[in-house]
Amino acid sequence: QVQLVQSGAEVKNPGASVKVSCKASGYTFTGYGIHWVRQAPGQGLEYMGWFTAGNDGTKYSQDFQGRLVFTRDTSATTVYMELSSLTSEDTAVYYCARQTPTLGHLDYWGQGTPVTVSS
Amino acid sequence: QTVVTQEPSVTVSPGGTVTLTCASSTGAVTSNYYANWFQQKHGQGPRALIYSTSNKHPWTPARFSGSLLGGKAALTLSGVQPDDEADYHCLLSCSGSWVFGGGTKLTVL
Repeated sequence: QVQLVQSGAEVKNPGASVKVSCKASGYTFTGYGIHWVRQAPGQGLEYMGWFTAGNDGTKYSQDFQGRLVFTRDTSATTVYMELSSLTSEDTAVYYCARQTPTLGHLDYWGQGTPVTVSS
Repeated sequence: QTVVTQEPSVTVSPGGTVTLTCASSTGAVTSNYYANWFQQKHGQGPRALIYSTSNKHPWTPARFSGSLLGGKAALTLSGVQPDDEADYHCLLSCSGSWVFGGGTKLTVL
């Protein structure tokens, strides 16, 4: 069955970077994309960007330009999201979600990774 | 940047029917916006319900349906159950990226 399993909770100091992983299983990794979404405490969902595992295509939301990077390890069927220059406003739960080859079709989600930015 | 707007909160009685909407600041929402809808219960992550305006996932209950209504994307729940109490988020494809609405808190009372 399709699963997206994310790495565990992180606590970071302001100014640091965080790298969250999303390990995919149960499907052909390179045939799908991965979206990244975050949710600050008590807030709605915020779209961050997407990554096409087959060709390293990326699209970052303008709100994160310059400090957000997506990478992959195909052998490990894992996509990574790295966010730098963290501030307290980056405290949130970070989610990955699968994009199927069908345009506009997001289906499975990871369980979420809490990231706390605090000194 | 595009702003996507949802009703902040809606209340419905058990067994009733309710429609949640999702509007774009750029104008009428069409099928080209590939509207997705997600349900998020308290303390849980989002779960996909609808994609590309009106398509259901294999796990989507039959009482949920998606459509375009009056220039907005819409999610209709028919025969609402207490278990449907949750936050509902829409996601639209806008100018090569994606934008979430603010979410609708659905209360079943």
